[in-house]
Amino acid sequence: KAGVTQTPRYLIKTRGQQVTLSCSPISGHRSVSWYQQTPGQGLQFLFEYFSETQRNKGNFPGRFSGRQFSNSRSEMNVSTLELGDSALYLCASSLGPREGAFFGQGTRLTVV
Amino acid sequence: DQQVKQNSPSLSVQEGRISILNCDYTNSMFDYFLWYKKYPAEGPTFLISISSIKDKNEDGRFTVFLNKSAKHLSLHIVPSQPGDSAVYFCAASAGNQFYFGTGTSLTVIP
Repeated sequence: KAGVTQTPRYLIKTRGQQVTLSCSPISGHRSVSWYQQTPGQGLQFLFEYFSETQRNKGNFPGRFSGRQFSNSRSEMNVSTLELGDSALYLCASSLGPREGAFFGQGTRLTVV
Repeated sequence: DQQVKQNSPSLSVQEGRISILNCDYTNSMFDYFLWYKKYPAEGPTFLISISSIKDKNEDGRFTVFLNKSAKHLSLHIVPSQPGDSAVYFCAASAGNQFYFGTGTSLTVIP
């Protein structure tokens, strides 16, 4: 069974630009969550989607948004990029909270 | 507000000895706890979990202990091996959302 796939793996953007990251979950998983990982901050929850609906949202500004498509693939968008948005963005899919979350390799975003 | 905390950013252990990684949480509504392991340039991988109705779960060299009254979770690795060197995240869930700690970097010295 294929794992969670995130594209692209690496991205360099300039302040003020916007970026879209993509995540393809494990087949059959309808829950997709996004996390931001920065040194010293661990994994900060961004949002979770289930069947194309955002069920949970973390404490991030409105510049961070996402969506999920009918095939469960998800995208995350960050507008008006700031230097502090440089991080590893991880996507995870799961069957439910009791099944654990399976992570992709992440997208390393660098804002210059 | 960090609801799941790992207060030790790093830990070094001799090969063959026990590694103990600790995690504290604040939300008494958490009912499922998990440990993840992360190597550089890879996403975290699920290691072991425990339901709040249990106080111990064992899987090979890995044992997770849950002390609900103290809101404390620990992961024991016995014996520790050099391949266990990684960052370990604990996580807790209430409903559909996972809350992660900041991670502990474990180094197992050969």
